[in-house]
Amino acid sequence: QKEVEQNSGPLSVPEGAIASLNCTYSDRGSQSFFWYRQYSGKSPELIMSIYSNGDKEDGRFTAQLNKASQYVSLLIRDSQPSDSATYLCAVTATGFQKLVFGTGTRLLVSP
Amino acid sequence: GAGVSQSPSNKVTEKGKDVELRCDPISGHTALYWYRQSLGQGLEFLIYFQGNSAPDKSGLPSDRFSAERTGGSVSTLTIQRTQQEDSAVYLCASSLAPGTGSDEQFFGPGTRLTVL
Repeated sequence: QKEVEQNSGPLSVPEGAIASLNCTYSDRGSQSFFWYRQYSGKSPELIMSIYSNGDKEDGRFTAQLNKASQYVSLLIRDSQPSDSATYLCAVTATGFQKLVFGTGTRLLVSP
Repeated sequence: GAGVSQSPSNKVTEKGKDVELRCDPISGHTALYWYRQSLGQGLEFLIYFQGNSAPDKSGLPSDRFSAERTGGSVSTLTIQRTQQEDSAVYLCASSLAPGTGSDEQFFGPGTRLTVL
């Protein structure tokens, strides 16, 4: 079982729709959870961090965390073609500062 | 402000040669991380430095890999006797110290290493 699992996609949504990206993790002790966006040929860019159960909103992005279910999600409202990228879920390993990454979900937003 | 910087952006080397990759973290960030991203693989952790503490080297794949951080700032990742499987993008990230309330890691642009 992978430590952080994501559907590789591609997830295709039309412009203006809501994109929903999901991630599950196996380490029950993980305390910090992040979403990164990575454009092809570029490095990961942090877009959201979440530390407690519930929702956290920032502009068009909402991160959701459910520690009991070991589940993190990212919602992108009013999706734009410029949102087309690979979205990486990352969690901290218990007792360590390192990030453990999922393999990413590729999002395609069509005009 | 300036982000994490890395050099070189690209490095092509021959199998068996040594390479050095450099990372300059965000000013004020005391934590520094190295990761690598191979084609078809996810991002994998290599090593973590925090202040003057002993580094967490648990992710280094072999003893050919080493890293140092001088003066609590710039870090150098060294790969000795490079192999073709070392070809990857090497990413550096930095963050504020643990316990400061923010452990968000910010990545540099990466160094693309190609071993021929």
